[in-house]
Amino acid sequence: EDKVVQSPLSLVVHEGDTVTLNCSYEVTNFRSLLWYKQEKKAPTFLFMLTSSGIEKKSGRLSSILDKKELFSILNITATQTGDSAVYLCAERNAGGTSYGKLTFGQGTILTVHP
Amino acid sequence: ETGVTQTPRHLVMGMTNKKSLKCEQHLGHNAMYWYKQSAKKPLELMFVYSLEERVENNSVPSRFSPECPNSSHLFLHLHTLQPEDSALYLCASSLPGSEQFFGPGTRLTVL
Repeated sequence: EDKVVQSPLSLVVHEGDTVTLNCSYEVTNFRSLLWYKQEKKAPTFLFMLTSSGIEKKSGRLSSILDKKELFSILNITATQTGDSAVYLCAERNAGGTSYGKLTFGQGTILTVHP
Repeated sequence: ETGVTQTPRHLVMGMTNKKSLKCEQHLGHNAMYWYKQSAKKPLELMFVYSLEERVENNSVPSRFSPECPNSSHLFLHLHTLQPEDSALYLCASSLPGSEQFFGPGTRLTVL
């Protein structure tokens, strides 16, 4: 059974700090790894990673995948209070289907204090 | 707004009630999903519909019954639920091989 583990489970920082969130996975038929941000209800999509070593960047957020060591990191630089949220990592298994099944980690709760 | 809407946003029901959750997507996607999110547990996939046909059912109890009448609409029919079924129920949709877009969820409380 596929497994996704995120660390740390929670993190408290001050505005301006840089944070690194970790995601490790064990899969039988890896297709891609996704990051989501969940503030109140709906998780919102951040990144999808399929290739090792290629950094994806969006503003102050960036992410990279290591398919050899089976992990991904999400970096947030110059954090702001609006970055406070639960960050979810999910692995998509090819599973012989076109849609691909997502297995989620338990999430990292990030709190950014002013 | 992600293009995926869910109603109702909050629902309180007794164990003998029958209710339905509704999801609608306006993104032209052809796969739709139901997830359950309980406190301190990862998002759990419940059902997947692709091209209106159910292709995944993660051993969900029969008191949850999905329905997908077309590629834009998805329902979750609920009956004789248990208090442990209280959770946030999220709907999502996607195209093949692409990221899933989530709705705002329905917060369900079973008394």
